[in-house]
Amino acid sequence: AQSVTQLDSQVPVFEEAPVELRCNYSSSVSVYLFWYVQYPNQGLQLLLKYLSGSTLVKGINGFEAEFNKSQTSFHLRKPSVHISDTAEYFCALTTYDKVIFGPGTSLSVIP
Amino acid sequence: DSGVTQTPKHLITATGQRVTLRCSPRSGDLSVYWYQQSLDQGLQFLIQYYNGEERAKGNILERFSAQQFPDLHSELNLSSLELGDSALYFCASSVAGGFNEQFFGPGTRLTVL
Repeated sequence: AQSVTQLDSQVPVFEEAPVELRCNYSSSVSVYLFWYVQYPNQGLQLLLKYLSGSTLVKGINGFEAEFNKSQTSFHLRKPSVHISDTAEYFCALTTYDKVIFGPGTSLSVIP
Repeated sequence: DSGVTQTPKHLITATGQRVTLRCSPRSGDLSVYWYQQSLDQGLQFLIQYYNGEERAKGNILERFSAQQFPDLHSELNLSSLELGDSALYFCASSVAGGFNEQFFGPGTRLTVL
């Protein structure tokens, strides 16, 4: 069975500060990993994905994530956050026949 | 705007009733996925259709069913509704049959009273 853990349910951070949102996964088979963002009253939007190749993945809006197979992690980072980054962030893994989302991390950017 | 449309945006109904949620995928996308998002269960994958055929099944209740029509739009039918079915229901679409890149619609908020 597969699972996704997001260790922080809420992350407050000051504007222009760096942020890291943590994601750990568990799987006995190969998986693909994703980060999605959900702005208030909207659907999810893909931020970035890791399918294979370079373990450092760059996404939209200045976000990046690093795949670490030994630590089974896929943490999301941004060097300088903006007010507009306030949203819910979901880590997800997929196999050939399923997708599993983590519980989400609520990022609040403080002016 | 992802290009995925869902109707209605809001739906309020009573326990025991049946509702139908509709989803139109992005132009050219063959796969449609349905998700349920609630506070206690989080975001749960329900079911996927690819080019009219069921492709993958998640945590979909027997009271729920879906189909994808020849024009590729999809409907999610929820019957014998219970209070616990109150949630946001999202549809997503993608061009291929896997789960690699999905485009989500704005969702339908279902309230069961």
